[in-house]
Amino acid sequence: EAQVTQNPRYLITVTGKKLTVTCSQNMNHEYMSWYRQDPGLGLRQIYYSMNVEVTDKGDVPEGYKVSRKEKRNFPLILESPSPNQTSLYFCASSLSVVTSGSSYEQYFGPGTRLTVT
Amino acid sequence: GQQVMQIPQYQHVQEGEDFTTYCNSSTTLSNIQWYKQRPGGHPVFLIQLVKSGEVKKQKRLTFQFGEAKKNSSLHITATQTTDVGTYFCAGSYTGGFKTIFGAGTRLFVKA
Repeated sequence: EAQVTQNPRYLITVTGKKLTVTCSQNMNHEYMSWYRQDPGLGLRQIYYSMNVEVTDKGDVPEGYKVSRKEKRNFPLILESPSPNQTSLYFCASSLSVVTSGSSYEQYFGPGTRLTVT
Repeated sequence: GQQVMQIPQYQHVQEGEDFTTYCNSSTTLSNIQWYKQRPGGHPVFLIQLVKSGEVKKQKRLTFQFGEAKKNSSLHITATQTTDVGTYFCAGSYTGGFKTIFGAGTRLFVKA
């Protein structure tokens, strides 16, 4: 089954304790992305990756890091989480936007609800 | 910066009534996508519009892309309780690889 998986689904942590949210897709997609969703603000893009070893900032990258060492995985790293990073996080993937110059539908993971106290 | 404004933020309708949500960008979009998110779920792709003035239909849903490629709308005819959820538009801009989502319109349908 084609899918995007995220782990963990729920996480409560304390300020300053480094954490990683994993994301994996089995569709051989080149493009992967991380979003955070907050009430009234919709989904805001944190980082995206156009292929292995190619990443770029979205609209709200501060406080986050990503890496893309393998095509299927795109982990989100919070080196020193703060309460304002409490949010619902979604990972998404799609076919390449680079070679075609066009966007494709994004497949979203189930989400990770993060609470930072 | 690039922004996609979406209105209304909420809409309450009686089952059988129509519903429309609108998205507007200050700059020309290369394409626009629409997603639906059920309560507690994740966004699910509905459709993508690419051409100026494009209109696409999916059963009771009609999607439009403006002539100037700066605005778009989603219209649902005769809403049903299964239509509840939040509808998002998401735009991309020429030469860029970011996706900019609107804030979403949450639809409530009363039976």
